[in-house]
Amino acid sequence: KNQVEQSPQSLIILEGKNCTLQCNYTVSPFSNLRWYKQDTGRGPVSLTIMTFSENTKSNGRYTATLDADTKQSSLHITASQLSDSASYICVVSPTGGFKTIFGAGTRLFVKA
Amino acid sequence: KAGVTQTPRYLIKTRGQQVTLSCSPISGHRSVSWYQQTPGQGLQFLFEYFSETQRNKGNFPGRFSGRQFSNSRSEMNVSTLELGDSALYLCASSRDNEQFFGPGTRLTVL
Repeated sequence: KNQVEQSPQSLIILEGKNCTLQCNYTVSPFSNLRWYKQDTGRGPVSLTIMTFSENTKSNGRYTATLDADTKQSSLHITASQLSDSASYICVVSPTGGFKTIFGAGTRLFVKA
Repeated sequence: KAGVTQTPRYLIKTRGQQVTLSCSPISGHRSVSWYQQTPGQGLQFLFEYFSETQRNKGNFPGRFSGRQFSNSRSEMNVSTLELGDSALYLCASSRDNEQFFGPGTRLTVL
């Protein structure tokens, strides 16, 4: 069964600190893996998108990595800001037209 | 370029009523997907439309239905509303494997 699991479920960090969010998936093969940021009550916004052959993708202070051998992806946030407080969702799209699989998300709280 | 728009943004209904939500995709996008998101839950896939045809469907009861028009705009309908249908309903339009979400419609069922 195709699954996407994210950890931790929630995380509290101090402003200015770095953090790493994890995504483990069983989806295989897949065409792309995406990370989204979702502010409370808003729609998700794409941060990074990686194909199965890519290892890393950056978007400002956000860096996503992908290890296809271990079926793991991580999202690293550098020098966190209060505005980074949000849910971060890992999404994997299988090949063959199968339904996209969404992780449950990690809720990040950045405190001053 | 305008993003995905959803109307209304907020809606309050009572049990047993029906509701219709609207989504306008990004210009040129022909695929529209609908999701339900409840507090603490991940996005649950409802259905996907492409060129006016339902291409994929999630595991929701028949009370949830949708359609897509020739201009790619899509509507989602929920009949006989239940308290558990209270959620944020998100629409996303897709092109070239990239998905863009709208701001969502917050539905509250009393």
